[in-house]
Amino acid sequence: EVQLVESGGDLVKPGGSIRLSCVASGLTFEYAWMTWVRQAPGKGLEWVGRIKSEVEGGTTDYAAPVKGRFTISRHDSQNTVFLQMNGLKKEDTAIYYCTTGTIGFAYWGQGSVVTVSP
Amino acid sequence: QSVLTQPPSTSGTPGQRVAISCSGSSSNIETNTVTWFQQLPGTAPKLLIYSNTQRPSGVPDRFSASKSGTSASLAISGLQSEDEADYYCATWDDTLNGWVFGGGTKLTVL
Repeated sequence: EVQLVESGGDLVKPGGSIRLSCVASGLTFEYAWMTWVRQAPGKGLEWVGRIKSEVEGGTTDYAAPVKGRFTISRHDSQNTVFLQMNGLKKEDTAIYYCTTGTIGFAYWGQGSVVTVSP
Repeated sequence: QSVLTQPPSTSGTPGQRVAISCSGSSSNIETNTVTWFQQLPGTAPKLLIYSNTQRPSGVPDRFSASKSGTSASLAISGLQSEDEADYYCATWDDTLNGWVFGGGTKLTVL
């Protein structure tokens, strides 16, 4: 059974930084493309970015609102993907989900809450 | 303002059939496959449909979907109270070089 477990969410001040982790189990992580999706309170889903598998270059893509501030990385030996968030803004307040799957986003974590507030 | 346009809400009675539309453009829906998600209150999204029309194992055949040109549609037949949820369409956008989501449609079962 595939499981994704996010952690690291917290209350952060505007301009601050935080790193989220997502640990995966039950899949061959080194081949998985890992994606982060967020959901602001009472709002819809928003794609944040993704990282391809190392065998496919390990390259990253980001949504325009987070490009240059957020960085996705992976540590295959630990089955973990990270989301480093810098220069946080109030509008980054959201539940952050990691997701993956060979047929699309079939597997989701429970989400990690990031609140940006003074 | 979402790149993909969905109606904010829809409703139906038990047993009824409802459809949810998703409108995009030539850079997203027309050239890439559409995915649909169901999100029950307080839970993570669940994959409902992938590759325009395919249901993952475990998704009832009451759920079906289609795509034509720059639009897609999700249909739910034999509506049940447990279908009350938010539904999202999503696809890759070649211009934005990223995934885009619809704003979501809240389905109420009356």
